[in-house]
Amino acid sequence: EVQLVESGGGLVKPGGSLRLSCAASGFIFSTYSMNWVRQAPGKGLEWVSFISSSSGYISYADSVKGRFTISRDNAKNSLYLQMNSLRAEDTAVYYCARLISSGSSDYWGQGTLVTVSS
Amino acid sequence: QSALTQPRSVSGSPGQSVTISCTGTSSDVGGYNYVSWYQQHPGKAPKLMIYDVTKRPSGVPDRFSGSKSGSTASLTISGLQAEDEADYYCCSYAGSYSVVFGGGTKLTVL
Repeated sequence: EVQLVESGGGLVKPGGSLRLSCAASGFIFSTYSMNWVRQAPGKGLEWVSFISSSSGYISYADSVKGRFTISRDNAKNSLYLQMNSLRAEDTAVYYCARLISSGSSDYWGQGTLVTVSS
Repeated sequence: QSALTQPRSVSGSPGQSVTISCTGTSSDVGGYNYVSWYQQHPGKAPKLMIYDVTKRPSGVPDRFSGSKSGSTASLTISGLQAEDEADYYCCSYAGSYSVVFGGGTKLTVL
């Protein structure tokens, strides 16, 4: 059974940092590209970042470029999102999602809540 | 990276059909056949309902169908059921390994 489990969310002050993790199981993680997608409270979905299966291609939304860094460790079946210089508008549930085609994600984690507040 | 345009809400009675539109540009919806649709119930993670414009993942009822004309994609749900009441989001590949989502549509089953 495919499972994606996010962790690392929490309350952080503006300007602070947080590292999210996504543990994958039930599939060959090293063969799939992955996305991070977030959802602010009561708002819609927003794509955050993409990483290809071998980390050769990486992209970010303009809203997080220069502040967030996506990475993965295929040996540990894990995806990461390092978030620096956090702002109030980064407050959201962050989901990791497995890609099956250009842009389509067939499995999502349950999400981890990041709250940026003083 | 502007969001795709969806109606804020749609509604229909059980058994009826509803269509949700998703309008983008030639840089996203109109430029690629990589539109997907997600269903999200409150407090839950999104669920993939349609990908690559018209394809249905295993387990998704054939009541759900997708199409595209130019820069507008559509999701049609026929034979509406109470459990279809949810938020629906479209998503399109937008080049350079990026995607863009629509603002979401709240479907109410009357």
